[in-house]
Parts: sequence; structure tokens; C-alpha cells
Amino acid sequence: AAGVIQSPRHLIKEKRETATLKCYPIPRHDTVYWYQQGPGQDPQFLISFYEKMQSDKGSIPDRFSAQQFSDYHSELNMSSLELGDSALYFCASSLERASSYEQYFGPGTRLTVT
Amino acid sequence: AQTVTQSQPEMSVQEAETVTLSCTYDTSESNYYLFWYKQPPSRQMILVIRQEAYKQQNATENRFSVNFQKAAKSFSLKISDSQLGDTAMYFCAFFSHQGAQKLVFGQGTRLTINP
Repeated sequence: AAGVIQSPRHLIKEKRETATLKCYPIPRHDTVYWYQQGPGQDPQFLISFYEKMQSDKGSIPDRFSAQQFSDYHSELNMSSLELGDSALYFCASSLERASSYEQYFGPGTRLTVT
Repeated sequence: AQTVTQSQPEMSVQEAETVTLSCTYDTSESNYYLFWYKQPPSRQMILVIRQEAYKQQNATENRFSVNFQKAAKSFSLKISDSQLGDTAMYFCAFFSHQGAQKLVFGQGTRLTINP
């Protein structure tokens, strides 16, 4: 079965640079979530989209923005990167209509800011 | 705000043994969903099992089962006949479709299965 695809898998950036993370949800899934997992921590919710509209917002810095496109893929844009942004960024997708609220995670993008 | 607590940072058992991971949560809502996710060394987050709060019957998926005590707000995961491949970090997670729809995770329990 198709899974959530994230690209790139690894990304190294310098302070103050920008980064764009991409997420391709499971086909026919209509909801995308972004989570940030720092070293030794549990994943923290950043933002979500349902049917291409922003649904909920969590602890996402103002330097970050995201959107979901007509083909349901989503991009997380991160600007003015800081050392503390180094983390594993997960995208997850679900099917709202299924009402099971199961979220399926991609493999993550490991961002390292130097 | 909902909170999820996993009080066991680490656990270790021998292969083929049964192990139970604990999770408690706090919420004022009556309808919600609880999940256990497994994160092996590859860091992939893998859904293990799901429980709907309105269902009294405990969920079971092969060797994985839960003990859901709604009144006590407790949601433990039992792994039977543990295997080396079960070695991973396990996260308990809460989801509600009221308010912000997001997973709230516990701190995780690092489980090691020894040969």
C-alpha cells in the first residue's frame, strides 16, 4: 500500500537560510498534519490542513509557513533558520471521512541547522 | 488542554515475555481517540493500535492489546510474546475532534527486548 512520502529525507542548512519540506499524503487522504520532533522529545503538532484549507495551528513559529496544494501535497516553508530548528519533521495524513482519525506518518525529514 | 503521561521512561524484558506499557491522560471530553505509536531506531512512526473512547471493548491487534479504563483515564499497551523487532520507543497519543484536531503525545517509553 502507498505510504506518505516526504522529501528530502535529510537537509543541512546554515543559520538564517530557508528550507522547504515537502509531503505527499496517501492517495485519497484529505488531511495533512505537520509535527516537529526534537532530539529525545515527543512529536509536537505544528499545523494541519483539510481539503487544502488550514485547519488548526499549533506551536508553529511565525518564521514557518505551510500550505496544501490542489493535488493535496503540502509544503512547510521555514525561513531565518535557527539552531533550535534542528529536528525531525514529520508529515502525517488521514482520511477525515473515515472518522477513525488514524494518522499515518511519513518517514520524516531530518533537518540539521549549522 | 489535554495531557498525556507515560511514567516509564525505559523498560526491558526478555524475548517471548509479556510487557505492559502504561499511559494516563487528562481530558474533560467524553469522545476521543487513543493511539499507540511505535518508533523504532529508523525513527519511522508506526501506528500500532487505536481505541475509540465510546467503545468499551478493548482493542486488539495480533500480539498487541490495550487495557482501556475510561473512568481512570488509563490506556495501557500489552505486548505478548515479545520479539526482538518490538524494540522501539513507544508513544501513547490522544486525539479529539473537538477544538484543535491534533495528536497529543506522551513522553514515550523506550522498550528493549533482550535475546
